[in-house]
Amino acid sequence: NAGVTQTPKFQVLKTGQSMTLQCAQDMNHNSMYWYRQDPGMGLRLIYYSASEGTTDKGEVPNGYNVSRLNKREFSLRLESAAPSQTSVYFCASSEALAEKQFFGPGTRLTVL
Amino acid sequence: DQQVKQNSPSLSVQEGRISILNCDYTNSMFDYFLWYKKYPAEGPTFLISISSIKDKNEDGRFTVFLNKSAKHLSLHIVPSQPGDSAVYFCAGEEGTYKYIFGTGTRLKVLA
Repeated sequence: NAGVTQTPKFQVLKTGQSMTLQCAQDMNHNSMYWYRQDPGMGLRLIYYSASEGTTDKGEVPNGYNVSRLNKREFSLRLESAAPSQTSVYFCASSEALAEKQFFGPGTRLTVL
Repeated sequence: DQQVKQNSPSLSVQEGRISILNCDYTNSMFDYFLWYKKYPAEGPTFLISISSIKDKNEDGRFTVFLNKSAKHLSLHIVPSQPGDSAVYFCAGEEGTYKYIFGTGTRLKVLA
């Protein structure tokens, strides 16, 4: 059981470039989440997916899009990266909303 | 407006002693509170939670206390071990999905 996996681990982008962060879970969880963590701040929710086929905005959705590809996978896309999106991104999953969340190891993204 | 505050960025404790990590909140609508532990280069892992209708929850060496009138919760680790050295986040759960995290406290347990 790998739990929640994220790729890539590290990424450097130039301003304006696009990329997709991948997340997969093998726990048969229904709900999945994307967070970002910035220095001096707690984790902030970007988007979440309550179940396959649904996605909703979290606290800081601007500049991001998501796709719940299937029950296992939830991707986060930056269409035109900005330096303000330099952060560590965490994916998480839970059996259902309001259940305990399990986190992946994170992707460290730097936008120059 | 930070709804969950962890005012101590760091804490050092001797091995075997008690570690007390504090968290204050402003949102009266939180239903649950959770503590997560994070090691470097890893994602946060769930540690312990408490419902807003309780004032204490215990799991082995970890106990969380909730004082609703003071809007304060604390995590006690007894006895502290070097492997407990990590960043600890408290979070309040608002509604069915939304975790509001504090900024974290870095605990260092000295051998």
